[in-house]
Amino acid sequence: KNEVEQSPQNLTAQEGEFITINCSYSVGISALHWLQQHPGGGIVSLFMLSSGKKKHGRLIATINIQEKHSSLHITASHPRDSAVYICAVWAQKLVFGQGTRLTINP
Amino acid sequence: DVKVTQSSRYLVKRTGEKVFLECVQDMDHENMFWYRQDPGLGLRLIYFSYDVKMKEKGDIPEGYSVSREKKERFSLILESASTNQTSMYLCASTPGGTDYGYTFGSGTRLTVV
Repeated sequence: KNEVEQSPQNLTAQEGEFITINCSYSVGISALHWLQQHPGGGIVSLFMLSSGKKKHGRLIATINIQEKHSSLHITASHPRDSAVYICAVWAQKLVFGQGTRLTINP
Repeated sequence: DVKVTQSSRYLVKRTGEKVFLECVQDMDHENMFWYRQDPGLGLRLIYFSYDVKMKEKGDIPEGYSVSREKKERFSLILESASTNQTSMYLCASTPGGTDYGYTFGSGTRLTVV
């Protein structure tokens, strides 16, 4: 079993829909990262959080330390949000989930 | 903005060649990392460095070496490239500790033929 599990692995939605991507982890962590990877490879750091909730534009990330779970939400989704979203946790090193491939259709 | 620059986006090399992948960051970050990314396996840590001339093995160091002669530059070396090293290689840097986000380069897609 991977230390970091993301669900779903693939998600296709229509423009405007509210999107939720989940991340569960099994190790003690000091921080959790949400990353975005567009086709072509470059990775962008979206959030780093260790408690509570952070918001940036249409993106919201939450974490529940007790339940070892984090969610990434996208409101009013747009085709340009199509990317792979990766959850990673810091547990003496960065441990990555497998990623969630999100496709938003116009 | 912090920039992490990888010297090549696409690279094709022959089996047995020595391959250098270069990574340069411009914000005086202490820590630098090399990852490879393969379908179904996610990102895996090859080597990392917390300081100049310092290196530590990651999860999959076999077949690779690294060099950090200057703080801003972290090089990944494939001494004798093999086809199973065909992959996307990503460099990242961070100021250190757990309170800072990672900055990734654009990646180098290496094909070994």
